[in-house]
Amino acid sequence: GDSVVQTEGQVLPSEGDSLIVNCSYETTQYPSLFWYVQYPGEGPQLHLKAMKANDKGRNKGFEAMYRKETTSFHLEKDSVQESDSAVYFCARNNDMRFGAGTRLTVKP
Amino acid sequence: NAGVTQTPKFQVLKTGQSMTLQCAQDMNHEYMSWYRQDPGMGLRLIHYSVGAGITDQGEVPNGYNVSRSTTEDFPLRLLSAAPSQTSVYFCASSSTPGQFQETQYFGPGTRLLVL
Repeated sequence: GDSVVQTEGQVLPSEGDSLIVNCSYETTQYPSLFWYVQYPGEGPQLHLKAMKANDKGRNKGFEAMYRKETTSFHLEKDSVQESDSAVYFCARNNDMRFGAGTRLTVKP
Repeated sequence: NAGVTQTPKFQVLKTGQSMTLQCAQDMNHEYMSWYRQDPGMGLRLIHYSVGAGITDQGEVPNGYNVSRSTTEDFPLRLLSAAPSQTSVYFCASSSTPGQFQETQYFGPGTRLLVL
């Protein structure tokens, strides 16, 4: 296969919980990796990115480490807020392939 | 700057009808692309362009045509709409030259229903 895989279609943490949203990629190349976020009624927008292995993308308390050895780019946050609720897409740039998306709904 | 604009916001078509989805950007970006978004499938690349006069196919090009006569505009044409083309369509642009893109800027989307 040659794809980007997000294993969770939806996650429902409570405010203050920690979060991990999984992303794995398949490729023989070394792409840049991205997380895009999409709010209702809008187009996706860049959330964070990492250009090469061992880089860490950061934005608004979220982090994702580009791990070549496990071909992963998991999105993590120590303490989620209700305002983080959105759909998150993982993507790679060698063929602009996106994962299926993970809907994050943070309960108050 | 308006960024990336798309028209129309909504469209209903009958099977077999044709239409053009418009996309324009005012950021002087060389790279532009079209995606479709379907539930559970993320965004899939339809066509892209690395500059005026240059277009190429993405992951799901069948049933769609594109052209790029100017840097600003990148219309997507459906020649004979089918119910399988019911989707939300996003146009995006980027300043990164070539095929391998960094940050893309997305438009607000066009929601298309084909009956």
